[in-house]
Amino acid sequence: KNEVEQSPQNLTAQEGEFITINCSYSVGISALHWLQQHPGGGIVSLFMLSSGKKKHGRLIATINIQEKHSSLHITASHPRDSAVYICAVGYVKTSYDKVIFGPGTSLSVIP
Amino acid sequence: DAGITQSPRHKVTETGTPVTLRCHQTENHRYMYWYRQDPGHGLRLIHYSYGVKDTDKGEVSDGYSVSRSKTEDFLLTLESATSSQTSVYFCAIRQGALNYGYTFGSGTRLTVV
Repeated sequence: KNEVEQSPQNLTAQEGEFITINCSYSVGISALHWLQQHPGGGIVSLFMLSSGKKKHGRLIATINIQEKHSSLHITASHPRDSAVYICAVGYVKTSYDKVIFGPGTSLSVIP
Repeated sequence: DAGITQSPRHKVTETGTPVTLRCHQTENHRYMYWYRQDPGHGLRLIHYSYGVKDTDKGEVSDGYSVSRSKTEDFLLTLESATSSQTSVYFCAIRQGALNYGYTFGSGTRLTVV
């Protein structure tokens, strides 16, 4: 079992739809990161959270520590949201913090 | 992000040759990381640094070495490139450990032929 799993693996949505991407993990964590990677592009950090909920524009990230689960929501989706969304969890391992990256969810938003 | 640059952006090299990738930051962040990204895998940590001359191995460090002689530069060297090292390499920086966000470079696409 992978330590970080994401679902769905691929997602196609119509412009304007509400989108949810899920992340589940199996280790106790200190923080969870959501990242965005556009095709052929670099990686951008969207959120880092250790509890509760964060919102930035049309993006909302939530985390439930007890259930070891996080969700990334996109409201009023737009074609420019098409990208791979990566969940990563960080935890302390001996003398350094270890971060495990999920496999990513590929999102395509169609006009 | 203007605070972190990778060079080169693309490189094709022959099997058996040494290759050095450079990561340069202007943020004065303490932590620097090298990752590789391959289809079917999440980002995997090669090496990281927590200060000048302080480096340690990640999960896929075989065949790679690093050096950090200045805060702003973190070099990744493939000692003798192999086809299995064909990948996209990302450098990342963090201000601190644990609950700090990442800033990633634009990536280096390396092809070993």
